[in-house]
Amino acid sequence: DTAVSQTPKYLVTQMGNDKSIKCEQNLGHDTMYWYKQDSKKFLKIMFSYNNKELIINETVPNRFSPKSPDKAHLNLHINSLELGDSAVYFCASSQDRLARGANEQFFGPGTRLTVL
Amino acid sequence: SQQGEEDPQALSIQEGENATMNCSYKTSINNLQWYRQNSGRGLVHLILIRSNEREKHSGRLRVTLDTSKKSSSLLITASRAADTASYFCATAGGSYIPTFGRGTSLIVHP
Repeated sequence: DTAVSQTPKYLVTQMGNDKSIKCEQNLGHDTMYWYKQDSKKFLKIMFSYNNKELIINETVPNRFSPKSPDKAHLNLHINSLELGDSAVYFCASSQDRLARGANEQFFGPGTRLTVL
Repeated sequence: SQQGEEDPQALSIQEGENATMNCSYKTSINNLQWYRQNSGRGLVHLILIRSNEREKHSGRLRVTLDTSKKSSSLLITASRAADTASYFCATAGGSYIPTFGRGTSLIVHP
């Protein structure tokens, strides 16, 4: 029973295309996140949603648009893909907002995006 | 930057030995967390230590925090081949947004 799942696991696409990555959590958590891990393994937070409301947006290009149809899902849509977008994207969830002390995050398996 | 920096970058030991990894950071924090990442997988939370705590244990894991030196260490005792993974520290300040380092790659040889 996967707690945080992402699809697809691998995504290879051409520069300029638009693509989406989906994330679902079955933990009943209120807060979900998107992270980007670059080739040097640095992991950086991109967005966070709490109960479908955007609460963290860490200066990510507006080509990246998260969408949360309900609190169990947080999808990431990327327009006009660029070479520098190649990375592993991780979805995560936590019981509540980080600031309320529920800091343990549960991560999905990651989506490896390669832009050619 | 608040980003934690793990040291060493890579560590190779024999099964049964202890493994120690360190994390240093630059600004004051509210908490620090350690995560493990197996190859090709997502991160798994290990331990969270708050700024007013000095030491925490979980099974074979021991985490210390020295806020005066702005550093933390993760000790894995009696290591096993299954402990082979990358270990990340994540520091969080006033915003509670975790900032991750580049990780320590640990290899435990059977």
